[in-house]
Amino acid sequence: DQQVKQNSPSLSVQEGRISILNCDYTNSMFDYFLWYKKYPAEGPTFLISISSIKDKNEDGRFTVFLNKSAKHLSLHIVPSQPGDSAVYFCAASASGTYKYIFGTGTRLKVLA
Amino acid sequence: DSGVTQTPKHLITATGQRVTLRCSPRSGDLSVYWYQQSLDQGLQFLIHYYNGEERAKGNILERFSAQQFPDLHSELNLSSLELGDSALYFCASSVSPGQAYEQYFGPGTRLTVT
Repeated sequence: DQQVKQNSPSLSVQEGRISILNCDYTNSMFDYFLWYKKYPAEGPTFLISISSIKDKNEDGRFTVFLNKSAKHLSLHIVPSQPGDSAVYFCAASASGTYKYIFGTGTRLKVLA
Repeated sequence: DSGVTQTPKHLITATGQRVTLRCSPRSGDLSVYWYQQSLDQGLQFLIHYYNGEERAKGNILERFSAQQFPDLHSELNLSSLELGDSALYFCASSVSPGQAYEQYFGPGTRLTVT
């Protein structure tokens, strides 16, 4: 039972344009969501997070939007840069469970 | 460099064997998490230890076990290995188990079972 889904395995975007990565979840108990970026041969690195009490969180070029009613979150990268080319994972957690459920990832390629 | 170290980097072994993967968390971090990433799969949460005590368990097979030692390093033991256990195994650490505390991932151990 995949509780966190990233339905797009890959995405290509032109440099300078917006990249939008999507994530859906099924467990209504999830109240904290995170995005990680992963380069080949490295471990994931934390990018941005959002609590369920918010619907938007912004950090520089990265913005995460949360739509609780739709159980959907998205990561916007503006403007996209070639260095953003990586695999992006979304993850979710429910308070008190002390565990994180990850999606299968979306490979982003930013074309110069 | 996240400050989390994992050894070995690569491991090749045969079916039926037993291996131990080691993780040293960042200095000061008390929580250690283990994840498995199989081909084309996301990171599957295996287990979480906090200050030596098991805090949460995921879909970890009975053939797998883990522990966190007094010096806070952690080991993941995989026994009776099967071909399907071939994967990247990551550990991550954080200061505290709370949601607001960022997890820092190690570079992973690639396990190949032949």
